Order: sequence, then C-alpha cells, then structure tokens
Amino acid sequence: DTEVTQTPKHLVMGMTNKKSLKCEQHMGHRAMYWYKQKAKKPPELMFVYSYEKLSINESVPSRFSPECPNSSLLNLHLHALQPEDSALYLCASSQAFTLEAFFGQGTRLTVV
Amino acid sequence: RKEVEQDPGPFNVPEGATVAFNCTYSNSASQSFFWYRQDCRKEPKLLMSVYSSGNEDGRFTAQLNRASQYISLLIRDSKLSDSATYLCVLRPMNQFYFGTGTSLTVIP
Repeated sequence: DTEVTQTPKHLVMGMTNKKSLKCEQHMGHRAMYWYKQKAKKPPELMFVYSYEKLSINESVPSRFSPECPNSSLLNLHLHALQPEDSALYLCASSQAFTLEAFFGQGTRLTVV
Repeated sequence: RKEVEQDPGPFNVPEGATVAFNCTYSNSASQSFFWYRQDCRKEPKLLMSVYSSGNEDGRFTAQLNRASQYISLLIRDSKLSDSATYLCVLRPMNQFYFGTGTSLTVIP
C-alpha cells in the first residue's frame, strides 16, 4: 500500500475562518511533508516533519500551522488566510530522506 | 538562485517520437534524484529514480551526470498517454526540491 490520503479534497473558506487539512499514511514512513502548488508552477516545500518533529519550516507565514499528532498523521491548521493562499496543498511521505516520496491527491483550497 | 533548472517547454511531439528532457542542479550535496510525472490537476507521481550508472524502465531512460550536475530523461516511442508535466527532483538530505517542470504533449 503506497497510499497517502488527504482530506478534504476541496475546501472553500473565508478569510476569517479556521480550518484544518489532514493527511494520513500507513506505510511506516517517518518523514512527512507539506507542499503548496499554484497553477502551472512546481510544488513548493512548506514544512518537513522527521520522526514527528518539525525539522524544516521554509519561512511559511504563521497563518499556516503544521501539527504531527503521531507517526501516521499530519495536519495543517489554517487561520486568517488571504486569497493568494488559494492553491493545491499536497502532503507527501517518505521512508527515509534519500528515498522517493509519495504524494496524496491534495486539497484544492480556495480562500474567498 | 534556483536549486533546480528545467526547460519548461512545451514540447509537442508526434506519437512514436523520441524526446529528451534535461535538468541542471546547483547543489552538489544532492544525494538522490528522481523524475516525477504530474497530470493536470493531479498529484505528482514517481516515474523513476535516477542512478549514476543510468537506469532504464521500458521506454524511459534516466541518466545522472554528477560532474556536470545534470540529469536527463529520455522517452522513446512516445504514446498519447505520456502527455503530462515531467518534474525532476533532487534531495539534499531532508529537503525535496522540484524543478520547474517540462510540459509534454504527444500529438496523434
């Protein structure tokens, strides 16, 4: 099973809302990632978790708050987003830092 | 300075053609390299890993040249289903950098 599951698939939220994106994998991977992808652009790394600890934050605004409750789950909490934050948010996981990553189908977020 | 540079294309080729993509990188500490494929509005999916010795998977061949810091992907006998964006990826330790992607359209 090489599946990374993301929920919800689509999300529309207002600028004053608080919402969360969820990501789950049961492959025993100990590295998990959040990416943001705008149309016709490559995915941009936001956060990296290693063994449930945040190891990389690519200078992401504090309105995005990641959380790793356990080794299978990764959340991205959203608060006071801007319309320019509308994008596809991708979660990925990998067994080790030199191996390939597997991606979830993404959450398509629209901020209105 | 971008870590990874790719020719964005687009590449429009007829069915059966051979097409090659290149990707150059600046971080010599990069340890692992991959090619991913991304269909429109879908997630990236691993196409193949790239090894120094070169590797082949059916119609696809990947090469790595560490001295010149580039990787390449060759697609032979292109199929309509090969139409997608191809992304090179390098991994310096716990980071995972994508190239800008190369768009390929295979025309009947």
